Amino acid sequence: GDSVTQMEGPVTLSEEAFLTINCTYTATGYPSLFWYVQYPGEGLQLLLKATKADDKGSNKGFEATYRKETTSFHLEKGSVQVSDSAVYFCALSKNTGGFKTIFGAGTRLFVKA
Amino acid sequence: EAGVAQSPRYKIIEKRQSVAFWCNPISGHATLYWYQQILGQGPKLLIQFQNNGVVDDSQLPKDRFSAERLKGVDSTLKIQPAKLEDSAVYLCASSSSGQGNYGYTFGSGTRLTVV
Repeated sequence: GDSVTQMEGPVTLSEEAFLTINCTYTATGYPSLFWYVQYPGEGLQLLLKATKADDKGSNKGFEATYRKETTSFHLEKGSVQVSDSAVYFCALSKNTGGFKTIFGAGTRLFVKA
Repeated sequence: EAGVAQSPRYKIIEKRQSVAFWCNPISGHATLYWYQQILGQGPKLLIQFQNNGVVDDSQLPKDRFSAERLKGVDSTLKIQPAKLEDSAVYLCASSSSGQGNYGYTFGSGTRLTVV
């Protein structure tokens, strides 16, 4: 079945460091891909999305490129801030008679000042 | 626009008791989802509604969980009787009909602890 695999956390970085969180997926057809962010005590917020191969999603300095050849959607940010500390979820969505979204297990990011 | 509203925020119950969670989606969003998020894991879909009809409830433990969405707006998720392994955050999300591939809007969730 369809699935999403993320790198295990926690990831600990110093402020202004470069961030990469790896995400790969397994799916038939042409899913849309997403990154969601979850701050402590809150629900998930959509961070960025890409709906077809080679699309780049970007938001708040984060970006990810839909790579169909490697079935990947890695999240990157050039310079992280303490406020970026959160859990990041990679997800895919397909229309199977109604859109169904499958989430990865999440990667916790800690950014130190 | 107002977000997805959920209540209560927290609930502690004893095993074998019953509990209900409420969700009010974004106005006009036809599709509503309930997800279960166990600590340290990603959200898992329990049930998906399109208006007031069920689209997918294949992952819902129907012997103890039930959900309804009367009039295609608010929804209630119930657990009866609760088990220890039901301790989790229950997230409600909504999307415009046909826009599921553009992402969902989530509520803040209800944290359930079963003791």
